[in-house]
Amino acid sequence: AQSVTQLGSHVSVSEGALVLLRCNYSSSVPPYLFWYVQYPNQGLQLLLKYTTGATLVKGINGFEAEFKKSETSFHLTKPSAHMSDAAEYFCAAPFSGGYNKLIFGAGTRLAVHP
Amino acid sequence: AGVTQSPTHLIKTRGQQVTLSCSPISGHRSVSWYQQTPGQGLQFLFEYFSETQRNKGNFPGRFSGRQFSNSRSEMNVSTLELGDSALYLCASSLEGGSSYEQYFGPGTRLTVT
Repeated sequence: AQSVTQLGSHVSVSEGALVLLRCNYSSSVPPYLFWYVQYPNQGLQLLLKYTTGATLVKGINGFEAEFKKSETSFHLTKPSAHMSDAAEYFCAAPFSGGYNKLIFGAGTRLAVHP
Repeated sequence: AGVTQSPTHLIKTRGQQVTLSCSPISGHRSVSWYQQTPGQGLQFLFEYFSETQRNKGNFPGRFSGRQFSNSRSEMNVSTLELGDSALYLCASSLEGGSSYEQYFGPGTRLTVT
């Protein structure tokens, strides 16, 4: 079955520290992957996407993710956390043959403390 | 302008029905709906493209939708149950391929009492 798994429902980092949010996908999903961010009481905002080409993808707000087919992973990183990064992050992939039908991971809530 | 949804919040009673509205980004022809709850996370409801439903998630028939010629979409939930309380998110996309990113609206928070 197709799936997207996010390891760690909660991650806490200090301001200025590295942010690493983990995402693994089942090999049966099409090779398109997305990271979205959700701030409290808001909808989802696209951070970055992988479609084809370069496996290191840069997104908004200093985030980037690397597509690793051999590890079926698409981890999200940011070198230096900022207080404004506190939010919930979702990794997503399309259902195969499902057009605009996304499977989401369960989400990782990122806390940033001074 | 981005994806807009109305209303922002809604309180309904069990057994009632509700209609939620979504206006996609100008030029986008695909509209998808998702339900977000603390227990089940984000789940796909259905997707419309050029007024046709192309995909449907695993939800009961009480959940329905439609899309108009201007790409605006509505979803309807009949005979509301307490478990329908959720944030309903609408997303639009330029085209219908898996590689096309979806842009989400702010959501409609539905509370069923």
